[in-house]
Amino acid sequence: SAVISQKPSRDICQRGTSLTIQCQVDSQVTMMFWYRQQPGQSLTLIATANQGSEATYESGFVIDKFPISRPNLTFSTLTVSNMSPEDSSIYLCSVRVGSTLNTEAFFGQGTRLTVV
Amino acid sequence: GESVGLHLPTLSVQEGDNSIINCAYSNSASDYFIWYKQESGKGPQFIIDIRSNMDKRQGQRVTVLLNKTVKHLSLQIAATQPGDSAVYFCAETRPTGFQKLVFGTGTRLLVSP
Repeated sequence: SAVISQKPSRDICQRGTSLTIQCQVDSQVTMMFWYRQQPGQSLTLIATANQGSEATYESGFVIDKFPISRPNLTFSTLTVSNMSPEDSSIYLCSVRVGSTLNTEAFFGQGTRLTVV
Repeated sequence: GESVGLHLPTLSVQEGDNSIINCAYSNSASDYFIWYKQESGKGPQFIIDIRSNMDKRQGQRVTVLLNKTVKHLSLQIAATQPGDSAVYFCAETRPTGFQKLVFGTGTRLLVSP
């Protein structure tokens, strides 16, 4: 299993500013994932972050808007840049553990972002 | 605070009833599936998983059924309790692309005492 801590748990930000969300895992993991969950909707994958390489972004998400850092095997950050009210969402960090394929993914408690 | 699942399909049941939550997945090549439970203000919590070489798997009070022919997944909860009230998501893993999970639309389960 894995225990994931996200900071901040929630924030209210002014449009045009940026917010960096931190994700700390209690064990070393190869892949970390960042998801967005808009109000009343499901989770949408933003990007996959591997340590030591550039993050891989899903269609509709770009590095300039959502830069990601992955400095080591237990930590990652997601920045939401130049925010607008449409960025108001829950942002979730996730990891998959284990050396075999097809293992469950663990999630942080999420960061609830409101842009005003 | 705002709740997850305000606009999601809702299943309302009485305490003690059995609940069945359905999910249609999109990719016939997906080979691993997970059901998650998400309570308000929390991240998704693992319930049960199933691999594509199986059609049924049972856990404590929960059963997952997989029908690959029609790309359908269901979660059955026996003797539903008020604590089961939450939003439930199915997720699939495709065999390519960093083992990423793709989530379904979700169903909100409301259990009345």
